[in-house]
Amino acid sequence: NAGVTQTPKFRILKIGQSMTLQCTQDMNHNYMYWYRQDPGMGLKLIYYSVGAGITDKGEVPNGYNVSRSTTEDFPLRLELAAPSQTSVYFCASRPQDTYEQYFGPGTRLTVT
Amino acid sequence: AQSVTQLDSQVPVFEEAPVELRCNYSSSVSVYLFWYVQYPNQGLQLLLKYLSGSTLVKGINGFEAEFNKSQTSFHLRKPSVHISDTAEYFCAVSEGPTGGFKTIFGAGTRLFVKA
Repeated sequence: NAGVTQTPKFRILKIGQSMTLQCTQDMNHNYMYWYRQDPGMGLKLIYYSVGAGITDKGEVPNGYNVSRSTTEDFPLRLELAAPSQTSVYFCASRPQDTYEQYFGPGTRLTVT
Repeated sequence: AQSVTQLDSQVPVFEEAPVELRCNYSSSVSVYLFWYVQYPNQGLQLLLKYLSGSTLVKGINGFEAEFNKSQTSFHLRKPSVHISDTAEYFCAVSEGPTGGFKTIFGAGTRLFVKA
């Protein structure tokens, strides 16, 4: 099992550009999450999904969109990148019967 | 609403000394509690979890934590740390279905083990 994989590892965007952060898990987990991590702030939940076709907003959804067409994939879309979106982004998944989450290695995004 | 407070942002400690990383939470319902560890440039991985039962929970790498419901705390301890324990540690709380299946993370405590 590869677990949770994220691409790309690093990306630099110009203000106003758009991009998609990819997240895939091969553990057949129903629940998937997107977090952003800013220094000294812990992890903030952006969006989450409880299964294919079902998504919901977290604490900080503004400026982002998600989709969940399959169990495996949960891409995060930034439409108009802003400097405030400079952060490290983590995708996570968990099985239905436990609450522990499995994290990907992260994507470091810089918007200039 | 639930919240998590990690009382120390940084904890320096000498190798082989004991360490305690403090975590307090607030919630109006029963919770599930977790400690995760993040090594530099990596994702988070689970150290230990409390779901129910014994309030003393043992995890990987010799860490343990004690759930104290009356003090709403879940402090992490290790009797003797190693250089390799240098990392950031996150306390996390989930209210399960009543919390919409979401988990709230603390701001993190950076443990720095000195030789």
